Amino acid sequence: GAVVSQHPSRVICKSGTSVKIECRSLDFQATTMFWYRQFPKQSLMLMATSNEGSKATYEQGVEKDKFLINHASLTLSTLTVTSAHPEDSSFYICSARDPGQGTNEQYFGPGTRLTVT
Amino acid sequence: GIQVEQSPPDLILQEGANSTLRCNFSDSVNNLQWFHQNPWGQLINLFYIPSGTKQNGRLSATTVATERYSLLYISSSQTTDSGVYFCAVAYNKLIFGAGTRLAVHP
Repeated sequence: GAVVSQHPSRVICKSGTSVKIECRSLDFQATTMFWYRQFPKQSLMLMATSNEGSKATYEQGVEKDKFLINHASLTLSTLTVTSAHPEDSSFYICSARDPGQGTNEQYFGPGTRLTVT
Repeated sequence: GIQVEQSPPDLILQEGANSTLRCNFSDSVNNLQWFHQNPWGQLINLFYIPSGTKQNGRLSATTVATERYSLLYISSSQTTDSGVYFCAVAYNKLIFGAGTRLAVHP
């Protein structure tokens, strides 16, 4: 199956600072990537859809100025949490579809655990 | 939007037991996936199964799209099967159910 990586795997930052999370498709090109957030003991919630070369589409209730998404190449999407606050502490997971497989199956990265102190 | 319901929410098994997890969804979909989330948070793709039946070792899944449900069967469960099992469905966006938390005891 297709492989998606994320970096870093975990990050601790101080309140008010910004953090960038990278999502890469390692063995395929992805015109579309997805960003999810998961709070402890809860399910995954879609935050935004990242489109290569164009603006991201954000889900209702997700602040686009706070969660900046850049999809500058066919293998890399980045999520920047700006002016992070403790309530932004969460598990952030990205995913992508491999268009070469001809299905809608999504593959997920290993996630990034963000702790804001 | 599409609603996804998983049952049971929690399941405790003895090693070697069989189990069935259910996923009901509220609308037509062109994607249905089952995942196992391991203790480190990684989502492991189990099945891509918008319709039909598939088997992979001790796991199998069946989706009846016309009746809007999917079942995940785990046979001869092992302690390593413990974790959270998610069903996710999509027409455009992948929507996750709340998950079934499985604990397999030796």
